[in-house]
Amino acid sequence: GAVVSQHPSWVICKSGTSVKIECRSLDFQATTMFWYRQFPKQSLMLMATSNEGSKATYEQGVEKDKFLINHASLTLSTLTVTSAHPEDSSFYICSARSTSGRKDTQYFGPGTRLTVL
Amino acid sequence: SQKIEQNSEALNIQEGKTATLTCNYTNYSPAYLQWYRQDPGRGPVFLLLIRENEKEKRKERLKVTFDTTLKQSLFHITASQPADSATYLCALDNRGNNDMRFGAGTRLTVKP
Repeated sequence: GAVVSQHPSWVICKSGTSVKIECRSLDFQATTMFWYRQFPKQSLMLMATSNEGSKATYEQGVEKDKFLINHASLTLSTLTVTSAHPEDSSFYICSARSTSGRKDTQYFGPGTRLTVL
Repeated sequence: SQKIEQNSEALNIQEGKTATLTCNYTNYSPAYLQWYRQDPGRGPVFLLLIRENEKEKRKERLKVTFDTTLKQSLFHITASQPADSATYLCALDNRGNNDMRFGAGTRLTVKP
């Protein structure tokens, strides 16, 4: 149980285009989902916290107009990287926190590798 | 400033030995601390959670300790195996903010 999927698993795009990444909790409902970015050999950096039905809370230094987050249902959150640039190339990982059971544990998706040319 | 430091970027040990990884934190007051395993190109996988009022937690070959006075957690893998080779991340509950903060991880290599 507690499976989180991400789609796509990897994407290559041209500079200036927008890319949407989906995060789904497959067998549980998640009121809260988190989006992280991880550069090689570095820690997971929290970008934003997404609550179902409300606006996401962004961490300091993360541009909300560049990284659009939508959490439209209890099982789906999307991250759209708008006007992507090479410096946005990274490993993007989402996680979800269950509405029931073990609420203190986050379940992570497999990650999405974004490469901007 | 707030920091989460994991003892070393990389740790190499021989199969069968016990691996000990360290996580130290500064200017946090976590209600709990978690350890995750991350393989290359994959998302983290939850291993263990230990709460502030717990000193030690075990799960099979894994053992975690939590010393809130020292602001430190130790993560042990006993009878290590090559399959245990991965990066191990500690994460703290960012109390009151509903999120987790991660250390940079320690890359463990267990040699046969």
